[in-house]
Amino acid sequence: GIQVEQSPPDLILQEGANSTLRCNFSDSVNNLQWFHQNPWGQLINLFYIPSGTKQNGRLSATTVATERYSLLYISSSQTTDSGVYFCAVDYGGSQGNLIFGKGTKLSVKP
Amino acid sequence: KAGVTQTPRYLIKTRGQQVTLSCSPISGHRSVSWYQQTPGQGLQFLFEYFSETQRNKGNFPGRFSGRQFSNSRSEMNVSTLELGDSALYLCASSIPGPQQFFGPGTRLTVL
Repeated sequence: GIQVEQSPPDLILQEGANSTLRCNFSDSVNNLQWFHQNPWGQLINLFYIPSGTKQNGRLSATTVATERYSLLYISSSQTTDSGVYFCAVDYGGSQGNLIFGKGTKLSVKP
Repeated sequence: KAGVTQTPRYLIKTRGQQVTLSCSPISGHRSVSWYQQTPGQGLQFLFEYFSETQRNKGNFPGRFSGRQFSNSRSEMNVSTLELGDSALYLCASSIPGPQQFFGPGTRLTVL
């Protein structure tokens, strides 16, 4: 089956720093989403981005489908950005079934 | 619009018992998917329902089952609980479409 790899697994930043999180996937996908899991466990939708670039405030994401990777950029990080960031994909024949990476755990220090 | 709701939020059971978790999707959404999250295995797909029919199933034993009602609400059941079933169970809804929206989860502890 399709493999989804995220890097780095852990990231510690000082408040105000920028960061880039990466998601590689092993096969063509129909859909790619980025999520932020808050300390209480809820997955918050950040981006639906099967291809191209999107921006939402301090966050932006780029997916290069032909090269099978996606990047999540966080600028001017804040302590509230702490948590685990997941990318998830679905592919042909897996409707309703998202395959998740193992996540990047981000800690932003004041 | 209200988001996805899951009940209960926390649950403690003992080995051998069974448990039922409930999920109410976003109004107008007709597809519900369930996921299990554990520290060792990460987030894994359990099953997906649309129009009261299971369309897709992950690689879990038959002790894990689910159903969907005509109002799109879904339940999942785990019978003969094992210690390894301790996890965060997440429900997601979609129209259906490419985006899934997740509920707050039910944290199950099996003692």
